[in-house]
Amino acid sequence: NAGVTQTPKFRVLKTGQSMTLLCAQDMNHEYMYWYRQDPGMGLRLIHYSVGEGTTAKGEVPDGYNVSRLKKQNFLLGLESAAPSQTSVYFCASSYGEKGEQYFGPGTRLTVT
Amino acid sequence: AQTVTQSQPEMSVQEAETVTLSCTYDTSESDYYLFWYKQPPSRQMILVIRQEAYKQQNATENRFSVNFQKAAKSFSLKISDSQLGDAAMYFCAYRSYIIQGAQKLVFGQGTRLTINP
Repeated sequence: NAGVTQTPKFRVLKTGQSMTLLCAQDMNHEYMYWYRQDPGMGLRLIHYSVGEGTTAKGEVPDGYNVSRLKKQNFLLGLESAAPSQTSVYFCASSYGEKGEQYFGPGTRLTVT
Repeated sequence: AQTVTQSQPEMSVQEAETVTLSCTYDTSESDYYLFWYKQPPSRQMILVIRQEAYKQQNATENRFSVNFQKAAKSFSLKISDSQLGDAAMYFCAYRSYIIQGAQKLVFGQGTRLTINP
């Protein structure tokens, strides 16, 4: 049981490049989330999903797109990376309304 | 909107001593959950303890306990018999619901805890 995994762990992009971060969970969780963590701050919600084929905007969605084609995967895309998107990105998943959120190990993204 | 405030950017404690990390929050909801997460240098977010707002009894998990003051909207974390492995960033978080059961965690700014040997 791997829990929540994220690919890649580190990435450096140049301004304007695109990339996709992959989150996978093997716990059959309905709910999945993408957060970003900036220095000196807690995590902030970017997008979330309540089930396969559904996505919704969180607190800071601008500049990101997401897709959940399969229940176990939640993809976060950056179409045109900007230096302001330099951050650590965390994926999480949860079961039911009362379930805990389980976090992945994070992806450190640097945009130069 | 809910907000979470941690007023102590950094704290330090001697090994084996007790330390208390502070957290206050603002909400108009009556039913919610509060959490403390630990983030060591590995970046992994680790759940330390949680408190359900409708429970008056303070939660405890081994050396970790909370002082939950609902009326004052205060949720502090006490770490007893501090160990070197407790050194980390600690985040207080409030959980609310968005739609269809999806959760939103609102985090404080974090407190960096140093353990002095």
